[in-house]
Amino acid sequence: ETGVTQSPTHLIKTRGQQVTLRCSSQSGHNTVSWYQQALGQGPQFIFQYYREEENGRGNFPPRFSGLQFPNYSSELNVNALELDDSALYLCASSKTGLNVYEQYFGPGTRLTVT
Amino acid sequence: AQSVTQLDSQVPVFEEAPVELRCNYSSSVSVYLFWYVQYPNQGLQLLLKYLSGSTLVESINGFEAEFNKSQTSFHLRKPSVHISDTAEYFCAVVPYFGNEKLTFGTGTRLTIIP
Repeated sequence: ETGVTQSPTHLIKTRGQQVTLRCSSQSGHNTVSWYQQALGQGPQFIFQYYREEENGRGNFPPRFSGLQFPNYSSELNVNALELDDSALYLCASSKTGLNVYEQYFGPGTRLTVT
Repeated sequence: AQSVTQLDSQVPVFEEAPVELRCNYSSSVSVYLFWYVQYPNQGLQLLLKYLSGSTLVESINGFEAEFNKSQTSFHLRKPSVHISDTAEYFCAVVPYFGNEKLTFGTGTRLTIIP
């Protein structure tokens, strides 16, 4: 069984640029959630995707957007990067309808904005 | 809305000594409770969970947590810690209904002293 994978591992961007982070969900999982973990903080919910549609959103501005593909993989896009966007971005997959509360996390993408 | 409080940001403990990591939560609805562990430079791993039934839950590596509804707490304990337990521990909750948004505490860094 393949776990949750994320790419890239690390990324450095300049303020104002755009970035795309990718996530492949665990085999059999149909729901993907994205979290932002700033240094020294707990993860904060960004949004969740189920059946290729956004299914809940946290307190993040519209410049944070996402996609889910038919194979349940997902992308997180961030436009107009700000210095405060520097963080570890975590993707988690789960299977809605069965143990929906069990989310399995990937290793994360560390984004640095300079 | 839910919130999670982990009062201890850092807990140093001697090897083979017992440890308790505290977690309190606030929620207007019933929630499921989780402890996640994050080893250095890694993503989150599910340590244990309380869904229903016995209020005492155990993990495979010797940790246990007890759900106390009256005190809205879910403290994590281990009778004898090892160097390998050095990590960041996050308490999290998710509501029974609605999207599976995990709300995390700010984490407790457990440092084991040889």
